[in-house]
Amino acid sequence: EPEVTQTPSHQVTQMGQEVILRCVPISNHLYFYWYRQILGQKVEFLVSFYNNEISEKSEIFDDQFSVERPDGSNFTLKIRSTKLEDSAMYFCASSPGGYTGSYEQYFGPGTRLTVT
Amino acid sequence: GIQVEQSPPDLILQEGANSTLRCNFSDSVNNLQWFHQNPWGQLINLFYIPSGTKQNGRLSATTVATERYSLLYISSSQTTDSGVYFCAVGEGTYKYIFGTGTRLKVLA
Repeated sequence: EPEVTQTPSHQVTQMGQEVILRCVPISNHLYFYWYRQILGQKVEFLVSFYNNEISEKSEIFDDQFSVERPDGSNFTLKIRSTKLEDSAMYFCASSPGGYTGSYEQYFGPGTRLTVT
Repeated sequence: GIQVEQSPPDLILQEGANSTLRCNFSDSVNNLQWFHQNPWGQLINLFYIPSGTKQNGRLSATTVATERYSLLYISSSQTTDSGVYFCAVGEGTYKYIFGTGTRLKVLA
């Protein structure tokens, strides 16, 4: 069964460094998402991406964040200058949309980001 | 934006017991999913259920969209059912709003 994959599974970085989290959505899916979950809290929406542009973003998704689909398979989240409060689990998701009409979201296993 | 409330926040069961988890949402939605977050933090998709009833083994779910709630039933609970259960509702096409979750612990 197709699945969303994410790399790395765990990343440790120093405050102020740039990180790139990578995701491979399910092939043929048209909608892509990033969410984050601070330890012990609920999952929060960051951004959605469709047709090579951002569809919607939350207040959390400020200028230090960016997303990119550099090729036909990868979807990345970049954090330019990490802060301690960026420590969280980051989930990538994708949904088919399009002619299927389904917006069921399929989540990857997550990348745990630790900022020291 | 849509508010999503889940109840109860915490639940402790003996193995073999049944339980019902509830998700209330403040506005009409076109998409709703239930997830189980396992101890490793992974979100396991249980049901995509914007309306109606579905069953998968010991789990079943019902969404009554007109009354803005969804229920997740767990029967004959097992220790492996422990974890956090999240309801997520679609706000528009492009995002899900997650509830605060129900933390379930099943005792052997």
